[in-house]
Amino acid sequence: DTAVSQTPKYLVTQMGNDKSIKCEQNLGHDTMYWYKQDSKKFLKIMFSYNNKELIINETVPNRFSPKSPDKAHLNLHINSLELGDSAVYFCASSPVATNYGYTFGSGTRLTVV
Amino acid sequence: DQQVKQNSPSLSVQEGRISILNCDYTNSMFDYFLWYKKYPAEGPTFLISISSIKDKNEDGRFTVFLNKSAKHLSLHIVPSQPGDSAVYFCAASGRGGSNYKLTFGKGTLLTVNP
Repeated sequence: DTAVSQTPKYLVTQMGNDKSIKCEQNLGHDTMYWYKQDSKKFLKIMFSYNNKELIINETVPNRFSPKSPDKAHLNLHINSLELGDSAVYFCASSPVATNYGYTFGSGTRLTVV
Repeated sequence: DQQVKQNSPSLSVQEGRISILNCDYTNSMFDYFLWYKKYPAEGPTFLISISSIKDKNEDGRFTVFLNKSAKHLSLHIVPSQPGDSAVYFCAASGRGGSNYKLTFGKGTLLTVNP
């Protein structure tokens, strides 16, 4: 039973399209995150939600909009996809908003063509 | 602006020998450091961490050393096993407010040869 599950695992789409990536955790954690691993291999935080409330919002284009319907789910919607959005997106959760105890999902590889 | 640097993209060692992975940081506000291990097509998994009040933390075959004055940490794996072959990410965080967020390096691919 996967602790942090992301869907889809792979996503290939054309420029200009709108797409969503879903994330669910069954660990009972309060905090969830979206990280992006770009072509340079850095893992960079994009957003963090604590019990459905946005607590971290890094410098991310407005085309990216996270939504947390409940504390077990954090979805990422991307409008007007661009070539530079191609990356691997990782969802993660932690018991509370902290720097330890992270559990990552297996990632969603997004390719924009 | 690379606040966490892993200057070696890859490292190859023989089974049974020591693997040493290095990490440097620039932000003096960082006070907690972590190593994550990542296999292909999987997410990173936590390996070991160290607080800035310590200079060494050991867990089985894994030891992390922290040199605050040099802003440098290293992960030692002894003895190395083929199953240790993975990408290792160094991460750092500060304290207070949103400073707990993790800043990652680019990772080092470790290959342990049988």
